[in-house]
Amino acid sequence: GAGVSQTPSNKVTEKGKYVELRCDPISGHTALYWYRQSLGQGPEFLIYFQGTGAADDSGLPNDRFFAVRPEGSVSTLKIQRTERGDSAVYLCASSRDGYSNQPQHFGDGTRLSIL
Amino acid sequence: AQTVTQSQPEMSVQEAETVTLSCTYDTSESDYYLFWYKQPPSRQMILVIRQEAYKQQNATENRFSVNFQKAAKSFSLKISDSQLGDAAMYFCAYRSVGGRWDDKIIFGKGTRLHILP
Repeated sequence: GAGVSQTPSNKVTEKGKYVELRCDPISGHTALYWYRQSLGQGPEFLIYFQGTGAADDSGLPNDRFFAVRPEGSVSTLKIQRTERGDSAVYLCASSRDGYSNQPQHFGDGTRLSIL
Repeated sequence: AQTVTQSQPEMSVQEAETVTLSCTYDTSESDYYLFWYKQPPSRQMILVIRQEAYKQQNATENRFSVNFQKAAKSFSLKISDSQLGDAAMYFCAYRSVGGRWDDKIIFGKGTRLHILP
């Protein structure tokens, strides 16, 4: 596609529920990143994929968070047993090959609200 | 660990005037990238300008320019001839230079810029 696509745009769910957030990167981009942006803050890194593998998952806050990218394109961020503190905008970005001189292109994010 | 600090939570400027947004950072690395991103209400992060630390010349992109002071670890953004469409959150950001596995961008907390008509 022309840009990074994230679905849904907004998600409202109850505390304790399971949610999945989807990211469709720019076609041909091998590197994919997830960031979380809490209210009034800048985005914070969660996880980075190079192809199908997670090259760096050091930003995942705890084991309730998990992400996959089984075919090296679309990625899904999964959150189990959601808590109110998980409410944030989840941003996805992709770049051509992950080298630092390649720009990261961001999607519009998914706003997650936990009631 | 690297950090990015933006000390101005909000700023306002009259349309057509010039405004400067401040940013400082901390790192022990000698080579890195610095960025300014714009985030309008649509939430998409839009790259405004990029500076490579090994380049002494300040980057410019049309009405946007930076003042990069490497020794002081300062990286300010100047917006000239401010337009209503410039109103947004602006984030200063840092990224290491390296191989394929240098991944994350580190963002500041942002400065909300208001343009007064």
